[in-house]
Amino acid sequence: GAVVSQHPSWVICKSGTSVKIECRSLDFQATTMFWYRQFPKQSLMLMATSNEGSKATYEQGVEKDKFLINHASLTLSTLTVTSAHPEDSSFYICSLSGTSGGVDRTDTQYFGPGTRLTVL
Amino acid sequence: EDQVTQSPEALRLQEGESSSLNCSYTVSGLRGLFWYRQDPGKGPEFLFTLYSAGEEKEKERLKATLTKKESFLHITAPKPEDSATYLCAVQGGWGSASKIIFGSGTRLSIRP
Repeated sequence: GAVVSQHPSWVICKSGTSVKIECRSLDFQATTMFWYRQFPKQSLMLMATSNEGSKATYEQGVEKDKFLINHASLTLSTLTVTSAHPEDSSFYICSLSGTSGGVDRTDTQYFGPGTRLTVL
Repeated sequence: EDQVTQSPEALRLQEGESSSLNCSYTVSGLRGLFWYRQDPGKGPEFLFTLYSAGEEKEKERLKATLTKKESFLHITAPKPEDSATYLCAVQGGWGSASKIIFGSGTRLSIRP
């Protein structure tokens, strides 16, 4: 599988500030990246899908101006939560699909370790 | 609408007590059914992908099976380290970025 990292692993911020979360692929050409949100004891909810070099496609109910996604390269995607509020506190997880060592792995998503965001 | 339902919501077993987790799904054009393991505070860890009815895959004490309507994750002689939430997900439709729909998971607890 792919090795996926996220930074930071946790962050605490004040209401109204913006927070950037990075998702990196260490050994994988991530042509597609996904961002999920998970509330306590709930399953993963897809927020948006992005293809390298293209604008992200947001799921219904997810504000694209609030959750800015940039997929600038095959190894990096960022999620910026703008003007964060306490209700944005959640566990944010990225995943990716693509190729590894020239082998097509687009049929599976590999997940990062997640970022815990707490907005005070 | 694509849908995934997992049962039971929580399962407590004694070490060595085998059991099965269920994942029922409805999807238009199944591309793949996935099983993941998630430990508290961590991202999901990929376990299996199943593509067609009748397919089975095994990994250590876990075995996943697939029919046209559901998938089972069988756990044989579990150990306490198997305790985790097990997530089932389906990918339907076609296209390079068809999204995955997750079930709510089964929280498995194995008592020593």
